[in-house]
Amino acid sequence: GENVEQHPSTLSVQEGDSAVIKCTYSDSASNYFPWYKQELGKRPQLIIDIRSNVGEKKDQRIAVTLNKTAKHFSLHITETQPEDSAVYFCAPSPLSGGYNKLIFGAGTRLAVHP
Amino acid sequence: DVKVTQSSRYLVKRTGEKVFLECVQDMDHENMFWYRQDPGLGLRLIYFSYDVKMKEKGDIPEGYSVSREKKERFSLILESASTNQTSMYLCASSSGAREQFFGPGTRLTVL
Repeated sequence: GENVEQHPSTLSVQEGDSAVIKCTYSDSASNYFPWYKQELGKRPQLIIDIRSNVGEKKDQRIAVTLNKTAKHFSLHITETQPEDSAVYFCAPSPLSGGYNKLIFGAGTRLAVHP
Repeated sequence: DVKVTQSSRYLVKRTGEKVFLECVQDMDHENMFWYRQDPGLGLRLIYFSYDVKMKEKGDIPEGYSVSREKKERFSLILESASTNQTSMYLCASSSGAREQFFGPGTRLTVL
């Protein structure tokens, strides 16, 4: 089955710095690569995703890059703000017909200090 | 706005009790999922359903069952609760192979 690892498990940055979280996976059939954000006490929410026919996607201060050959993808957050503090999960999966069975990483706790 | 609701935010049960966790979504999504979330382990899929009365095992189905009699409702059943089932349970729904929308979670404690 799919083995998903996230690094680092915790990340502490100063406000305005950049943050990068890396996700490695083992299943070569994976072709959908989302990132979910979970603020303290809240539900996880999708913040950005990418499909395997695209190498990079950007949405304002966040971006995701994919290296399918090396089986890893990364979340990049620029100009971090205190509200970026949360746990971030990657969840690579193969798109299968009418649903995708996500395999979540263990999460990365990001703390942004003012 | 997609709305996914769960029947309880907090639940305390005793070992051996039968426990029902209910999830309702209001966006006519065909797919529904049950996860448990434990510190350091991320979210692990227990069961999912892609249509009414259809169900598939996830990665950790042991000790759980599910029921989906109506499209909007997906129930997770702990047949005989055990202390190692103390966890946060999250329900999610999706339309096709798209974003999963999560409920607020139920924190279950089994004593």
